[in-house]
Amino acid sequence: NAGVTQTPKFQVLKTGQSMTLQCAQDMNHNSMYWYRQDPGMGLRLIYYSASEGTTDKGEVPNGYNVSRLNKREFSLRLESAAPSQTSVYFCASIPPGGRTEAFFGQGTRLTVV
Amino acid sequence: AQSVTQLDSHVSVSEGTPVLLRCNYSSSYSPSLFWYVQHPNKGLQLLLKYTSAATLVKGINGFEAEFKKSETSFHLTKPSAHMSDAAEYFCVVSYSGGYNKLIFGAGTRLAVHP
Repeated sequence: NAGVTQTPKFQVLKTGQSMTLQCAQDMNHNSMYWYRQDPGMGLRLIYYSASEGTTDKGEVPNGYNVSRLNKREFSLRLESAAPSQTSVYFCASIPPGGRTEAFFGQGTRLTVV
Repeated sequence: AQSVTQLDSHVSVSEGTPVLLRCNYSSSYSPSLFWYVQHPNKGLQLLLKYTSAATLVKGINGFEAEFKKSETSFHLTKPSAHMSDAAEYFCVVSYSGGYNKLIFGAGTRLAVHP
């Protein structure tokens, strides 16, 4: 039981390049989330998927797209990376029913130069 | 609007002394509340959670937190700090609606000195 797995762990991109961050969970959770973490700002929600086949914008969606490929996988794509997207990205999943904690991946440290 | 405020961005204590990390939330109804810890270059680990049962919640590594509805607070405490407690701590509020929405505080960095 691996929980939430993110790949890659580290990435350096040049401005304008594209990439996809992968996330998979093996806990059969419906809800999955992408956050970014910046110093002094906690975690901010980029996109979420309440269930397979649905995605919605969070607090800071600009410059990102997502795909909920199936129940297990939720990917985050940067089409044209910008230095402002330098951050640590976390994927999370939450069991159904509310009032439960989120399970987080180990994070992806992205630097855009 | 829902929000979470961690009142201190940095807290510094000596090893063996008590720890207090403060968190206030705003909510129009009873939320679920969590504390997460993040060690350097690591992911987020759940310390403890409040989900409308006992107001005093015990977590891992000797941490506990008390939910005080009248003060809209959920402060994290530990009687005696250990060097390994040095990390960043996040207070998180969860609201159930169309999806489980998590609101994160900005974080408190705890330093523990010998």
